[in-house]
Amino acid sequence: GQQLNQSPQSMFIQEGEDVSMNCTSSSIFNTWLWYKQDPGEGPVLLIALYKAGELTSNGRLTAQFGITRKDSFLNISASIPSDVGIYFCAGQVEYGQNFVFGPGTRLSVLP
Amino acid sequence: DVKVTQSSRYLVKRTGEKVFLECVQDMDHENMFWYRQDPGLGLRLIYFSYDVKMKEKGDIPEGYSVSREKKERFSLILESASTNQTSMYLCASSFAFGPQETQYFGPGTRLLVL
Repeated sequence: GQQLNQSPQSMFIQEGEDVSMNCTSSSIFNTWLWYKQDPGEGPVLLIALYKAGELTSNGRLTAQFGITRKDSFLNISASIPSDVGIYFCAGQVEYGQNFVFGPGTRLSVLP
Repeated sequence: DVKVTQSSRYLVKRTGEKVFLECVQDMDHENMFWYRQDPGLGLRLIYFSYDVKMKEKGDIPEGYSVSREKKERFSLILESASTNQTSMYLCASSFAFGPQETQYFGPGTRLLVL
């Protein structure tokens, strides 16, 4: 079945730095979703992308739907301590099919 | 705001017990899902439902069953809990299958089976 890869697996950054992470697949996707999960909590939807090339922002977060439709990128600008958590991508190959989830990128922000 | 709630945040059960996990959504969503999340294995789909009284198996349905008697409520049942069912269980809902489907998650239930 389809698999999603996320990189990096984990990252440590200084507060105030910008962050970039990506999600890749060998399959073409119609939809990309980005979630953040705090320890012991459920994933919270950050950004949804529905068209190739689409660039969408949510505050300091910006995500892009890759032109090839096989990848997506999430950027966080000027990181703050509450950005700590695991960031998941999810992709959907066709409408009506179940979403596939990536393994997550664990972000740590050092003061 | 979409709200998905789960009946318990933490549960401790004994092997062999019957366990009910409840999920309620307040956005009139058609679709509801149950996942389990384990370290190193990510999110795995157990069952989903696209309408009242309808259910479909996901990737790992063995040892589980579900019930959807009302549109807003989706229950996951562990008929006879086993230690390998210790996990974080996440419920999600979405409006309908089709363009711009988006899944919203509940806060999760962390289940420990002793």
